[in-house]
Amino acid sequence: DAGITQSPRYKITETGRQVTLMCHQTWSHSYMFWYRQDLGHGLRLIYYSAAADITDKGEVPDGYVVSRSKTENFPLTLESATRSQTSVYFCASGQPLYGYTFGSGTRLTVV
Amino acid sequence: AQSVAQPEDQVNVAEGNPLTVKCTYSVSGNPYLFWYVQYPNRGLQFLLKYITGDNLVKGSYGFEAEFNKSQTSFHLKKPSALVSDSALYFCAVRGGSYIPTFGRGTSLIVHP
Repeated sequence: DAGITQSPRYKITETGRQVTLMCHQTWSHSYMFWYRQDLGHGLRLIYYSAAADITDKGEVPDGYVVSRSKTENFPLTLESATRSQTSVYFCASGQPLYGYTFGSGTRLTVV
Repeated sequence: AQSVAQPEDQVNVAEGNPLTVKCTYSVSGNPYLFWYVQYPNRGLQFLLKYITGDNLVKGSYGFEAEFNKSQTSFHLKKPSALVSDSALYFCAVRGGSYIPTFGRGTSLIVHP
C-alpha cells in the first residue's frame, strides 16, 4: 500500500535501553523528517533529511541518532532512552512545494 | 529564523456557526503556509496550503484560509462548523528552507 508507515505504534522501554523507531514511505519523497509532539510544545523537529545519506539536526537532536541509507527508510534511534524522551513521535515525508504527509505516530513511554 | 504563532490554545464554537482559527507568522522572503488537522491518536493531515496567487485558499472538508501579507497572517476559516471538525489544528510556515516550522496547535471544539 502506498503511504507512510511508522512502527511500532506503541512502545514501552526501560531507561538506558536503545530503541529504534521505524519510518517507511512508498512515494520516493526526497525529504523526510522526525518530530516529537509534547503537550505545551507542539511539534518539535528532531532530525531531517533531504535525500539518502544526507541528514541534519533539528531543534532537539540530543540523545537521538538517524540514518538514511535508502530513500524510503528513515529510522530514528534513541541511544540510551531517558524519561524525558517519553513522547509521541511522528515521521513525515514530502516535497517542499506540496506539503508533507505524516505517519500515524509512535507513542513511546520510557519507564 | 522563521516562526509561527497560534494565539489561542482553544477555540469554542457552536455547530452551524462560522469558525476562525488564527495564525500569524514570521519568515524571511516569501512565505509558504500550511494548515494541518490532527484527530485523536492520529497523525497530522494536510488541509490546505498557500504558495502564491489568490489570497483566499480553499482546502479539504470545506475549510479555507486567508493570506494577509501586511498582517503576516494566515487564518483558517469555515462558514459553518460541524461537530466532526473538533480536532487539533496546526499552522506551519517555511521560507527559503524546505523545513517547515509548526505552531503549538489550537484545539477546536464544536458544540452541538
